[in-house]
Amino acid sequence: QVQLEQSGAEVGKPGASVKVSCTVSGYTLSQLSIHWVRQAPGKGLEWMGGFDPEDGEAIYAQKFRDRVSMTKDTRTATAYMELSSLRSEDTAVYYCATLGAYDDFDYWGQGTLVTVSS
Amino acid sequence: EIVLTQSPGTLSLSPGERATLSCRASQSVGNSYLTWYQQKPGQAPSLLIYATSNRATDIPDRFSGSGSGTEFTLTISSLEPEDFALYYCQLYGTSPFFGGGTKVEIK
Repeated sequence: QVQLEQSGAEVGKPGASVKVSCTVSGYTLSQLSIHWVRQAPGKGLEWMGGFDPEDGEAIYAQKFRDRVSMTKDTRTATAYMELSSLRSEDTAVYYCATLGAYDDFDYWGQGTLVTVSS
Repeated sequence: EIVLTQSPGTLSLSPGERATLSCRASQSVGNSYLTWYQQKPGQAPSLLIYATSNRATDIPDRFSGSGSGTEFTLTISSLEPEDFALYYCQLYGTSPFFGGGTKVEIK
């Protein structure tokens, strides 16, 4: 059973960066395709990017391409999502999730609240 | 890019009633897989139905998915108290994307 444990809530100032982690247990990170989905307060789900299961390269939604970076450390079984140039509309819960065999997100982290505030 | 439209936005029903949720694609999804998620307040989404009609692990059989082309449906045959939640459909075309969600609330 895959388990994803995310880092705690963050507060970032406008223009700053935030880095959220997602630690995997129960499976090998290198065999998983980790993706990031965010949800603004009272809003729906928005895919940000993830690792292409074909070649392992990070792929990003066009909306975030200029200011998001997704990385992973197989030694610590941890994936990271860093979002820069924060603005108020980035206030959201950020989830990591694994991409399943049917292009579904089958396992989810508990979410990390990122609040952008001066 | 395909757009997924979920309807209704809110469904007000009583326990025991049947719920029918729609997810409509702006163009045929072809061979892409359609997925449904359930999200309860303060929780992460959880996988409900994958590949249009397959229940995820431990999902009760009152949940069923169907459809093809541009029209997909999630049906809850008889609502239990724990089923009142948000439901999202999702597709992976050139990238993953979600419908806007349907809230199933207690009438």
